[in-house]
Amino acid sequence: AQKVTQAQTEISVVEKEDVTLDCVYETRDTTYYLFWYKQPPSGELVFLIRRNSFDEQNEISGRYSWNFQKSTSSFNFTITASQVVDSAVYFCALSPYNTDKLIFGTGTRLQVFP
Amino acid sequence: GAVVSQHPSWVICKSGTSVKIECRSLDFQATTMFWYRQFPKQSLMLMATSNEGSKATYEQGVEKDKFLINHASLTLSTLTVTSAHPEDSSFYICSARGIAGGLEYTQYFGPGTRLTVL
Repeated sequence: AQKVTQAQTEISVVEKEDVTLDCVYETRDTTYYLFWYKQPPSGELVFLIRRNSFDEQNEISGRYSWNFQKSTSSFNFTITASQVVDSAVYFCALSPYNTDKLIFGTGTRLQVFP
Repeated sequence: GAVVSQHPSWVICKSGTSVKIECRSLDFQATTMFWYRQFPKQSLMLMATSNEGSKATYEQGVEKDKFLINHASLTLSTLTVTSAHPEDSSFYICSARGIAGGLEYTQYFGPGTRLTVL
């Protein structure tokens, strides 16, 4: 079965705190892609990152960083020095290689308070 | 790059009418477009996958005759909700996947259309 679990339904932090959003996935495929999307209150899903299963290097983009560990089937997302504008729902998603589909997690709602 | 638009952004209609939602890839060509439905505080539910020039593939439980999808060109897909009823009220989001240039591995999403059926 293919599945994405985001166990944290909602997280609240105060500005400038670091926060990590967890994502655990299940798949029997050896080749797949993992994604993170941000959905602000406006509703549009914003693409943040794509990672293929053969690339376990961590990635940093500004205040964002991602930790991909195949051994634990996790693809966690950390926001450093969070800002109010980071408040949104964040979705982790899995796409097996030979399929068009995205399998979404249930999302984590992040609220950053000033 | 990789901008997807949707029109309208919101629509209110009477029960029994049909509503058409357009999804356009503005700066890239998309052989495949996807239609999702999202209920408040829930994840996205894939409704159907549409490929340019061919019939859409619907997910289990999605009524083909209720949700008509047309992917007439490499930049346009439409979703028509026929004979809409209040239970069809939802947030509909489309996405597009490009042909080449790295865009073929990622779905880029439109801003969504909020449908309210009275």
